Amino acid sequence: DQQVKQNSPSLSVQEGRISILNCDYTNSMFDYFLWYKKYPAEGPTFLISISSIKDKNEDGRFTVFLNKSAKHLSLHIVPSQPGDSAVYFCAAKSTGTYKYIFGTGTRLKVLA
Amino acid sequence: DTAVSQTPKYLVTQMGNDKSIKCEQNLGHDTMYWYKQDSKKFLKIMFSYNNKELIINETVPNRFSPKSPDKAHLNLHINSLELGDSAVYFCASSQMTGSDYGYTFGSGTRLTVV
Repeated sequence: DQQVKQNSPSLSVQEGRISILNCDYTNSMFDYFLWYKKYPAEGPTFLISISSIKDKNEDGRFTVFLNKSAKHLSLHIVPSQPGDSAVYFCAAKSTGTYKYIFGTGTRLKVLA
Repeated sequence: DTAVSQTPKYLVTQMGNDKSIKCEQNLGHDTMYWYKQDSKKFLKIMFSYNNKELIINETVPNRFSPKSPDKAHLNLHINSLELGDSAVYFCASSQMTGSDYGYTFGSGTRLTVV
């Protein structure tokens, strides 16, 4: 049973436009969420996080939105750049647990 | 300076062999992890150590045995390798257990069992 789902395996966006990556979760106990970015042959790198006490967190071109009632979070990248082309993973955990549960990733391709 | 380094990067071996993957972090983190990314791209946690103490042991075959000689190292030893063990194995570390600051991952070890 996959508790964190990224239903879009891939996404293509034109350079300069907005990229929106989505993530759904089923466990209502999850209260902390992360986004990771992964280039080929490299490990995932931490991008941005959000806790359940917030519904938005922004860091430069990256904004994460959390809709707790819908158990949905999204990552917005504005404006998208070719260097953003990578696989993006969302991950979630609940307070008091030690481990993050990862989604299967969405491959973003930003077209120049 | 690589923060979390894994060796080897690639490993091709025959079924039945025993192999080890090494991981070292120079971040001063207290907690280290092993994750497995299978062919379906799921990233699943296998083990976690906090200050050399095992704190997470997911349902993995007994053929997998982690060893943490100190808090900067977490090695993974796999006995009697099987075809299904083929995957990319990622080591990671964090400042605190289940850190809200996320993990720092190594670049992965691609294991191919033939």
